[in-house]
Amino acid sequence: DTEVTQTPKHLVMGMTNKKSLKCEQHMGHRAMYWYKQKAKKPPELMFVYSYEKLSINESVPSRFSPECPNSSLLNLHLHALQPEDSALYLCASSQVVRFFQETQYFGPGTRLLVL
Amino acid sequence: ELKVEQNPLFLSMQEGKNYTIYCNYSTTSDRLYWYRQDPGKSLESLFVLLSNGAVKQEGRLMASLDTKARLSTLHITAAVHDLSATYFCAVDVEEETSGSRLTFGEGTQLTVNP
Repeated sequence: DTEVTQTPKHLVMGMTNKKSLKCEQHMGHRAMYWYKQKAKKPPELMFVYSYEKLSINESVPSRFSPECPNSSLLNLHLHALQPEDSALYLCASSQVVRFFQETQYFGPGTRLLVL
Repeated sequence: ELKVEQNPLFLSMQEGKNYTIYCNYSTTSDRLYWYRQDPGKSLESLFVLLSNGAVKQEGRLMASLDTKARLSTLHITAAVHDLSATYFCAVDVEEETSGSRLTFGEGTQLTVNP
């Protein structure tokens, strides 16, 4: 099973709302990632969790708050977003140790629209 | 700062033709990935290239890596319409204990016309 699942698939929220994106994998990967992708652009790394600890934060605004409750789950809590935050949010997972000949596996994404 | 440059950014080609997409990167790395993305979809892994001189082939696609030149190529042979998609290369910067840190190229939007 090389599947990463994400919910919801689509999300529309107002600037005062609080919502959460969820990501799950059962491949035993201990590194999980959040990316943001705007239309016609490459994915941009937001956060990396390694062994359930936040290891990389690419200077993401605090209105995005990641959480890794266990080795299979990754959440992204959203609060007071701006319209420019509208994008496709992709979750990915991988092995941590670099000598594994594996890529990152991406989920289907959550398409977020902030009104 | 790592820079990853792909060219061309847009490629329109006829079915049956061959073409190559180039990916240049600015810092030392021995790990490069190619992904495919269909419109409105997620990223699908195509190739993982781990060492200098690595060459991998899958169907009509072949990828290679020259770490000394900091160059990877994705060669398309006898293109078919189903290959129409956006292709990204991504370079992995070493993060031993933090998972991989991918920097993506801008993507090449490929359209294969009948």
